[in-house]
Amino acid sequence: DSGVTQTPKHLITATGQRVTLRCSPRSGDLSVYWYQQSLDQGLQFLIHYYNGEERAKGNILERFSAQQFPDLHSELNLSSLELGDSALYFCASSVAPDSYYTDTQYFGPGTRLTVL
Amino acid sequence: AQKVTQAQTEISVVEKEDVTLDCVYETRDTTYYLFWYKQPPSGELVFLIRRNSFDEQNEISGRYSWNFQKSTSSFNFTITASQVVDSAVYFCALSNTGGFKTIFGAGTRLFVKA
Repeated sequence: DSGVTQTPKHLITATGQRVTLRCSPRSGDLSVYWYQQSLDQGLQFLIHYYNGEERAKGNILERFSAQQFPDLHSELNLSSLELGDSALYFCASSVAPDSYYTDTQYFGPGTRLTVL
Repeated sequence: AQKVTQAQTEISVVEKEDVTLDCVYETRDTTYYLFWYKQPPSGELVFLIRRNSFDEQNEISGRYSWNFQKSTSSFNFTITASQVVDSAVYFCALSNTGGFKTIFGAGTRLFVKA
């Protein structure tokens, strides 16, 4: 158990809908990262938050947004869903903001999103 | 542009064999970071290692070792005396920020047979 929790584990929804994925980092970790893993695109970095502030953005669509709350949990909001958004969404956490060399990253179990 | 290539799509070995997973990267940055991750059949992702471009020293952790060669833009991963539990997809990744804003390779699926 990495200590990172993600809910829900599975989500099935229809095109055009909006969903929210939730992530709770390990106790003491201030950084939260979101990644998408799909058959078409492989693994992709989406976004990074540190202590409530956005630190880095990757290949995140405009229909997607995220935030990190004062209690450090994070939510990834996906709207106007399309079939191609079906994927496994991982959250990860680490202690430091970015370039702390010995920092380790811990992953949650992922949320599998299926868009029908 | 940055790119990570894992040319080996699948590798199959018999337990106790040594196996090397190749990773070749492209970047114009002088400072960059390289990573390896493991994704076992259960699906979770496990961070294995991060290396800084200024540190070309090879690293060994138990049965795992990593060979970083700037001259060939490679960061290869060797598992010594492989075990069935090593069966997984292994991803190599690259970042120019030090953090975990990474570009991933397509992954290499390793099968270790008993």
